[in-house]
Amino acid sequence: QSVLTQPPSVSGAPGQRVTISCTGSSSNIGTGYDVHWYQQLPGTAPKLLIYANNNRPSGVPDRFSGSKSGTSASLAITGLRAEDEADYYCQSYDSSLSRYVFGTGTTITVL
Amino acid sequence: QLQLLESGPGLVKPSETLSLTCSVSGGSLSSRNYYWGWVRQPPGQGLEWIGSVYYSGSAHYTPTLKSRVTISVDTSKNQFSLKLTSVTAADTAIYYCARLNYPTSSGEHFQHWGQGSLVTVS
Repeated sequence: QSVLTQPPSVSGAPGQRVTISCTGSSSNIGTGYDVHWYQQLPGTAPKLLIYANNNRPSGVPDRFSGSKSGTSASLAITGLRAEDEADYYCQSYDSSLSRYVFGTGTTITVL
Repeated sequence: QLQLLESGPGLVKPSETLSLTCSVSGGSLSSRNYYWGWVRQPPGQGLEWIGSVYYSGSAHYTPTLKSRVTISVDTSKNQFSLKLTSVTAADTAIYYCARLNYPTSSGEHFQHWGQGSLVTVS
């Protein structure tokens, strides 16, 4: 049972900007733990997309950006492309559960 | 370039022990800068952290699986392993090994992932 809540699906036309929310609580995001984002293309392993709230690993396009405020975080994708169709997961740490926690996951569909 | 590769049986009988190994290439398991971990994903579902281990062998596990899980390292082979005992159908999943950044006060993330290994309990 995930403690980080994401919308099940988000869609947009090519070139548009879309955002994915990740809602947590005072025992994870709200207590200061970083939020990280992963992209999982169909049939492949997750790939780190954003770490420590708003940092991109080498090779990740600057179309992807992250932010965090209070008990929530967001992933934004600008200039949406067909290749961005994938599942996206947020991740943090929960001090009450004493474990890393992942979001429920969001499927991005490019119309 | 760091690569992680999971290996092990794809089919395990109920009540038996699931065993997987992650072979690391392009990097050293003995590095003091990283932790190494396992994450699983039931078919069509989300991600679940299982546990993580340091090169020294110090490990920590998700509380829900702690009584059944052991993660160990073999630095001479540059491998780390997962054992999950008394498996049931609920343990059917794709199991990923991954490298985590060194712990910080604000939390860790999974930097690099293996391709995953599907384990079916039946």
